Amino acid sequence: GAVVSQHPSWVICKSGTSVKIECRSLDFQATTMFWYRQFPKQSLMLMATSNEGSKATYEQGVEKDKFLINHASLTLSTLTVTSAHPEDSSFYICSARDRGLAGTGELFFGEGSRLTVL
Amino acid sequence: AQSVAQPEDQVNVAEGNPLTVKCTYSVSGNPYLFWYVQYPNRGLQFLLKYITGDNLVKGSYGFEAEFNKSQTSFHLKKPSALVSDSALYFCAVRVLYSSASKIIFGSGTRLSIRP
Repeated sequence: GAVVSQHPSWVICKSGTSVKIECRSLDFQATTMFWYRQFPKQSLMLMATSNEGSKATYEQGVEKDKFLINHASLTLSTLTVTSAHPEDSSFYICSARDRGLAGTGELFFGEGSRLTVL
Repeated sequence: AQSVAQPEDQVNVAEGNPLTVKCTYSVSGNPYLFWYVQYPNRGLQFLLKYITGDNLVKGSYGFEAEFNKSQTSFHLKKPSALVSDSALYFCAVRVLYSSASKIIFGSGTRLSIRP
């Protein structure tokens, strides 16, 4: 149980294009999902909190127009990197909080998506 | 400020020896503490958590962690290391803000087990 699927695992795109990454909770409902970014040999940096049916809450310094987050259902959140540039190349990881385990704070993570912008 | 710290970037242990990966935290209120492991180019896998109860928490793959309130620590331990334990380990803590919560991570500790 508690599986989070993230797609695609790898994506290479040209500078200036947009890329969408999907995060799905497969066997539980997630009212809240989180998007993290990880640079090589560094920790996870929280980008935004995605809440089902409402606007995402972005961390300080994260451009909301650059990183569009949509959480249209209890099992799906998407992150769209708009007009991607090489500096956006990174490992993006989503996580989801099980609605039934919300009080524990425990998160379940996707496998990550490696974005390379040429 | 609420935070979590992992003072060691790297820990090297011989296979079969006990291992410890250190973590300290600073939060307001009762801490919810977690350990996650990450293998190359993969997401994070949950190892264990402390919310309340016994200070010694047992988790996946033979790992355990000891919650020490007076030292504000939550060190990860294993009695006998395996080469397959080599990975990146993250300590995390739940922090509360407004009417919500989020998880913040330590900087990570790379564990290397030599045969």
